[in-house]
Amino acid sequence: AQKITQTQPGMFVQEKEAVTLDCTYDTSDQSYGLFWYKQPSSGEMIFLIYQGSYDEQNATEGRYSLNFQKARKSANLVISASQLGDSAMYFCAMREGSLNSGYSTLTFGKGTMLLVSP
Amino acid sequence: GAVVSQHPSRVICKSGTSVKIECRSLDFQATTMFWYRQFPKQSLMLMATSNEGSKATYEQGVEKDKFLINHASLTLSTLTVTSAHPEDSSFYICSANTGTGTDTQYFGPGTRLTVL
Repeated sequence: AQKITQTQPGMFVQEKEAVTLDCTYDTSDQSYGLFWYKQPSSGEMIFLIYQGSYDEQNATEGRYSLNFQKARKSANLVISASQLGDSAMYFCAMREGSLNSGYSTLTFGKGTMLLVSP
Repeated sequence: GAVVSQHPSRVICKSGTSVKIECRSLDFQATTMFWYRQFPKQSLMLMATSNEGSKATYEQGVEKDKFLINHASLTLSTLTVTSAHPEDSSFYICSANTGTGTDTQYFGPGTRLTVL
């Protein structure tokens, strides 16, 4: 089974609208971290937001928020007030195991291509 | 903060030559660095994990003699693609984390390798 599933290969949104990118995960660990990265056409991977498995509040970073539903094992990214510059590939990733456990590799989903139209 | 550089950004080489790619953490010390490969329109594939001063840990299916990784200091890791062939053409991207806080991996801008 895939550890990270992103079911939306592509999403379209109009400028200034909000958009939700889906991510579900599979792990038997109690301690884990979830990350979202943005990859524009230039190729660099830009870190957007992090959610720890024990964090009680949903993470927020500016226009980005993470809708964390632990029981459903989902960690959807919400982008509010979309901008043209938000057009990019978005990857959800998971780190299993506790922090500083010495095992900090990430498992990535297949990504969702977001296109923002004027 | 948390800036990672990668050099070169693009390289074109002839088949049979070796290519070295450098990854540097500019404003933090990286306990661990990671090397990924990405094919067009696909996700990142982890190749290896390296810790400063020790041998890299390669993922299954990655040839360690083909992809030599050296993590000489807490701010520098290098990936050398030895005797490159056209099938090695790809986008290679490194990342680094501090091993503290949220253990976030910060990525370099990537290197586009084309082997003729």
